[in-house]
Amino acid sequence: NAGVTQTPKFQVLKTGQSMTLQCAQDMNHNSMYWYRQDPGMGLRLIYYSASEGTTDKGEVPNGYNVSRLNKREFSLRLESAAPSQTSVYFCASSILQGAWTNEKLFFGSGTQLSVL
Amino acid sequence: GIQVEQSPPDLILQEGANSTLRCNFSDSVNNLQWFHQNPWGQLINLFYIPSGTKQNGRLSATTVATERYSLLYISSSQTTDSGVYFCAVEVSNDYKLSFGAGTTVTVRA
Repeated sequence: NAGVTQTPKFQVLKTGQSMTLQCAQDMNHNSMYWYRQDPGMGLRLIYYSASEGTTDKGEVPNGYNVSRLNKREFSLRLESAAPSQTSVYFCASSILQGAWTNEKLFFGSGTQLSVL
Repeated sequence: GIQVEQSPPDLILQEGANSTLRCNFSDSVNNLQWFHQNPWGQLINLFYIPSGTKQNGRLSATTVATERYSLLYISSSQTTDSGVYFCAVEVSNDYKLSFGAGTTVTVRA
């Protein structure tokens, strides 16, 4: 049971390049998330998908797009990378319990992205 | 949006010591979780605890939802407890967890 799998683990981009971060979960979870982590700032939500077929913006969506490809997969795309997007990116998933509550959040191992 | 404040920001412990980490939040929540990020960056869910008290080995957590705070207790700390501890909360009808800035714990042998 792999849990939440992210690829790649490391990436270096030049300003203006594009790339897609891939995320897949095998826990049959309904909800999936993309966070970024910057030093001293905790984790900030970029986009989330409460269920298959829906996506919504989080705190810091500018410069990113997402696709919920199916129940298992949720990708994050940087169309034109900027140095301000240098960060560690985490994908996460949870099962939606009841009407409004997501129970435990499970994280992937992260992608360290540098934009030069 | 909701504000999540964790204290202290940094904590240095001698192996075997006990400690308490605090998380204050500014609004009513229906979900609160504690996470540990190890020195290699992996984030592990410790507790799902919107209210009440839970224990897992040497770790325990208490959330007093009416007073908008949660506490994480580490007893008999070990060097493997080092890392960053995050509190995260979800406001009703929100589907999103908002994270605090974390408490960095260093346990010295």
